[in-house]
Amino acid sequence: AQTVTQSQPEMSVQEAETVTLSCTYDTSESDYYLFWYKQPPSRQMILVIRQEAYKQQNATENRFSVNFQKAAKSFSLKISDSQLGDAAMYFCAYRRSGGGADGLTFGKGTHLIIQP
Amino acid sequence: EAQVTQNPRYLITVTGKKLTVTCSQNMNHEYMSWYRQDPGLGLRQIYYSMNVEVTDKGDVPEGYKVSRKEKRNFPLILESPSPNQTSLYFCASSLIVGGGGDTQYFGPGTRLTVL
Repeated sequence: AQTVTQSQPEMSVQEAETVTLSCTYDTSESDYYLFWYKQPPSRQMILVIRQEAYKQQNATENRFSVNFQKAAKSFSLKISDSQLGDAAMYFCAYRRSGGGADGLTFGKGTHLIIQP
Repeated sequence: EAQVTQNPRYLITVTGKKLTVTCSQNMNHEYMSWYRQDPGLGLRQIYYSMNVEVTDKGDVPEGYKVSRKEKRNFPLILESPSPNQTSLYFCASSLIVGGGGDTQYFGPGTRLTVL
């Protein structure tokens, strides 16, 4: 079974600085997708970024980028120029490619605090 | 507007009183799923459906039932709720079954408390 591990229960960063959230996963599959979801205090689950395992290039969405290390099974999220609105729980998630019935496997989350 | 809706958003009930949480999507998605979120555990899949009349268990199905009689609706049924089912519940849907990378759209969540 796949597992996703987020080793940082909580992180704190000053506004305008850069922060990196860690995620590692375990799978025997070679083709899969990885995701970062943001959950603000409203509790809505918002997709931040998605990475396809067969793509070497790291995904980027504006101030959000990932460092995908397939051999190390690592998928960290970098947030540049942190803003107060980035304060939220962040969940790393995995899904097998062509998984049919498979849902998302989530990590336990990292609570990100932005210090003004 | 493309969305997944859930009702109710908040519910406090007592042990053993049957309840249903509704989920509806307007995107013609085949795949729908229920998750529960508990502190320190992340989100875990309860049940999923790949199309009308096709449902199956996820990782934590005990104490729950689902049905998929229409493509747009996927209600979650707790026939005899217990306090350990106190949780935050999310419904999600996606367009392509088996694609893996297709975006899952989440509903706003239902906060359930069972006394």
